[in-house]
Amino acid sequence: DLVLTQSPLSLPVTLGQPASISCRSSQSLVYSDGNTYLVWFQLRPGRSPRRLLYQVSNRDSGVPDRFSGSGSDTDFTLTINRVEADDAGIYYCMQGTHWPGTFGQGTRVEI
Amino acid sequence: QLQLQESGPGLVKPSETLSLSCSVSGASVNSLYYYWGWVRRSPGKTPEWMGSIDSGGGTHYIPSLRGRINVSRDLSKNKISLKLSSVTAADTAEYFCVRDSGHFAIDFWGQGILVTVSS
Repeated sequence: DLVLTQSPLSLPVTLGQPASISCRSSQSLVYSDGNTYLVWFQLRPGRSPRRLLYQVSNRDSGVPDRFSGSGSDTDFTLTINRVEADDAGIYYCMQGTHWPGTFGQGTRVEI
Repeated sequence: QLQLQESGPGLVKPSETLSLSCSVSGASVNSLYYYWGWVRRSPGKTPEWMGSIDSGGGTHYIPSLRGRINVSRDLSKNKISLKLSSVTAADTAEYFCVRDSGHFAIDFWGQGILVTVSS
């Protein structure tokens, strides 16, 4: 079975500093159409979860440009440039290349 | 703006059926190219995609839940529903209604509803 491994699981950050979360897949996430179906979600208390990035690096509408995604094949990274207080929460990667879609364990970002 | 709102009992007894509903506003559950489904997040566990229904009414379920899960839709009320039978404590989780734009690229989530399985 495909496994997504996120690290770290807990990430203390300082306001204004950068932060990075890794997501590693046990299998390549390149689909037969050439696309890589890897997304990042943000969960914050009291709010609906939201998608930040899709297909590795495409930012969703309304997502601040301090969020960026990179990587390929099996190794991916979510970077928050200049962390703000509103960024506290849990971040998940999810792959949609192999059925069924599966999530990483999540990374708790603490300011 | 698309909004999804889950509703249902917060407490279900073991061996009974968990039933949740999701009201959708801002889009039709009949929309082409989208899937409407459910994700759950159990305490201390990785979130799990459970199943979905596509624009043609076809259903897709994670193998570990087949036989216990049913996802359906009501086009007249623009709602989707989840039924999970024979629940145990392991089904205690926060359940989210979601829209998937393909390849599990979930682009909208409901706020989630906590369901506890306990006698």
